[in-house]
Amino acid sequence: EMVMTQSPATLSVSPGERATLSCRASQSISSHLAWYQQKPGQAPRLLIYGASTRVTGIPARFSGSGSGTEFTLTISSLQSEDFAVYYCQQYNNWPRTFGQGTRVEIK
Amino acid sequence: QVQLQQSGPGLVKPSQTLSLTCAISGDSVSSNSAAWNWIRQSPSRGLEWLGRTYYRSEWYNDYADSVKSRVTFKADTSKNQFSLHLNSVTPEDTAVYYCARDGSYDNRTNAWNWSLDPWGQGTLVTVSS
Repeated sequence: EMVMTQSPATLSVSPGERATLSCRASQSISSHLAWYQQKPGQAPRLLIYGASTRVTGIPARFSGSGSGTEFTLTISSLQSEDFAVYYCQQYNNWPRTFGQGTRVEIK
Repeated sequence: QVQLQQSGPGLVKPSQTLSLTCAISGDSVSSNSAAWNWIRQSPSRGLEWLGRTYYRSEWYNDYADSVKSRVTFKADTSKNQFSLHLNSVTPEDTAVYYCARDGSYDNRTNAWNWSLDPWGQGTLVTVSS
C-alpha cells in the first residue's frame, strides 16, 4: 500500500504570510496527486489535482508542485478562511491513500 | 454541477449491517467515465478509502482489503444512487462516512481528473449497543 506522509503535522502561520505544506509518497506516483482542504464539520474539498492543476473556483494563492515522490502545496498569502486541515491523496495506485493531514492554524 | 446527498442511520448495533445511500444529481450513476466511491474518516484511521462502484458496459467494484470481506456496493439506476453495505460492524467501524465521485473531464485543461470530487456531506455512523 502506498504510504503518504505529510509534514509538518501543524503549521502556525500569521494571516498574510506564506504557508508551505509537504507530502511525500513511499513510491513514485508520477503527478497523480490531489490536495484537499477540510474545515470542521465539512467534507474535504478538492483544491488541486494532477499535482498542480487548480480546480475551478480555487483562488490563485493556492498552488501545487512536484512529481514522483515529493509534492508541495503553497498558500502564498494566508487569508482567514484558509485556516483548516489539508490532505494529500494519491490516485496512482490501489488502494487510494491519503496523508494524515497538516493543520494550518493562526499564529 | 454534480451534487451528492447522503442518507442513512447514524447509529448501528454491533454485528449488524451499516447501510448508507448516496443520491446523485447532475450526473448518472451509470456514467461510462465516472466512478462512485466510499471513504470514511476516524481519529484512529484518518481518511480511509473503502472502494468504488462503476459502470463500463457492466458493473464493477473495487474494494479496499481492510473491508473487502464485509462490504458490498450497489447501484440503483432508477433512483440514480448508490449504496454501501458493511456487515458485521464493530465499534472500530465508527466513523464519518463520505461518498465521492472520481472520473471527470476538465474542459479547461482537456484532462481527466481521477481525484475525488465532489464529496457528499458526510454521515457520522456510531457503532454501539
